[in-house]
Amino acid sequence: GDSVTQMEGPVTLSEEAFLTINCTYTATGYPSLFWYVQYPGEGLQLLLKATKADDKGSNKGFEATYRKETTSFHLEKGSVQVSDSAVYFCALNAVSGTYKYIFGTGTRLKVLA
Amino acid sequence: DSGVTQTPKHLITATGQRVTLRCSPRSGDLSVYWYQQSLDQGLQFLIQYYNGEERAKGNILERFSAQQFPDLHSELNLSSLELGDSALYFCASSELSGGPTDTQYFGPGTRLTVL
Repeated sequence: GDSVTQMEGPVTLSEEAFLTINCTYTATGYPSLFWYVQYPGEGLQLLLKATKADDKGSNKGFEATYRKETTSFHLEKGSVQVSDSAVYFCALNAVSGTYKYIFGTGTRLKVLA
Repeated sequence: DSGVTQTPKHLITATGQRVTLRCSPRSGDLSVYWYQQSLDQGLQFLIQYYNGEERAKGNILERFSAQQFPDLHSELNLSSLELGDSALYFCASSELSGGPTDTQYFGPGTRLTVL
């Protein structure tokens, strides 16, 4: 069945470090891919999305490229800030029989000053 | 602010009781989704409603039920509550019925504690 696999956290970085959070997926058809961020005590917020292969989603300095050949959608940021500390969820939206969103397990990021 | 509202923010109740969680979607959105987030299970999709009709079902227990009203707000009813039902319950909404490009926007959640 369809699935999303994220790297396990927590990921701890110093401020201004480069961030990569890996996400790979399994899906039939052509899913859309999403990154959501959840700050402490809040709901999930859409960070970026890509709806077809080779699309690059970007927002607030974060980027992710939809790689069909490697079935990946890795999240990157060139220079993280303390305020980026949160849990990041990769998700796919695939229509395979009954539609549903599938979320990864989330990766906690902690950025130290 | 996503535009999705959920009430109440916190709910504390006892085992065996019944509670109702409420969600108002973003203006213009026709679909509402319910999720449960617990520490050991992650984010679990429960159910989706589209324009008043059940559209998709996930890992929703028989003790739980939901509905979407003509004004498109939705309620999630949890009955015969157990300690393990303690979790964050999120509502999300999207514009359409959930096609590949449909994007979900999440509410702030309701934290349910069952004592």
